[in-house]
Amino acid sequence: AQSVTQLGSHVSVSEGALVLLRCNYSSSVPPYLFWYVQYPNQGLQLLLKYTTGATLVKGINGFEAEFKKSETSFHLTKPSAHMSDAAEYFCAVSPGGGSNYKLTFGKGTLLTVNP
Amino acid sequence: DAGVIQSPRHEVTEMGQEVTLRCKPISGHDYLFWYRQTMMRGLELLIYFNNNVPIDDSGMPEDRFSAKMPNASFSTLKIQPSEPRDSAVYFCASSLSTSGYTFGSGTRLTVV
Repeated sequence: AQSVTQLGSHVSVSEGALVLLRCNYSSSVPPYLFWYVQYPNQGLQLLLKYTTGATLVKGINGFEAEFKKSETSFHLTKPSAHMSDAAEYFCAVSPGGGSNYKLTFGKGTLLTVNP
Repeated sequence: DAGVIQSPRHEVTEMGQEVTLRCKPISGHDYLFWYRQTMMRGLELLIYFNNNVPIDDSGMPEDRFSAKMPNASFSTLKIQPSEPRDSAVYFCASSLSTSGYTFGSGTRLTVV
């Protein structure tokens, strides 16, 4: 079974500041990990994913995340926040390498960017 | 590619009425998922299909909910009879293997 915990339902940063959104996962098998972004009244859009290989993955809009197996974490970062980054962000996990591609999502973190 | 297409975008119905939500996945994708999103419960997986076959429907809340996928390009989620607590945004998503899901824009359902 898989589960995801996103620490902090709401994160507020100033424009230009570092963005750090935390995600910890639990998985009985090696996981695949994902970050999605949701803008108001829209569906979820894939930001980045980790399946195998390099543990630091880069995504769209300058975001990146690092898979740390020892910490069971997959935190999302961006060096400098932009007003357009304001949205809700979801971390998700699925069992890796098998035939079950069912994603389990965290509760989401709402990112506010202040001018 | 037009992406995952859901219809309608908004649906307002009276309690007790039947509601049908529709989804057209991305051509070639072999997985299709139905999720429900509410403030209280977040994103909940209702059911998913692989090659048009239902694989896991353990998230379907009650017998009032049913889903079908008659072919690779179409799926429906039906609620009969609808209740106010079914009010939510329902998302359809499709995927190919480990590529990650592509979500539709959702159907906002309001049951009054």
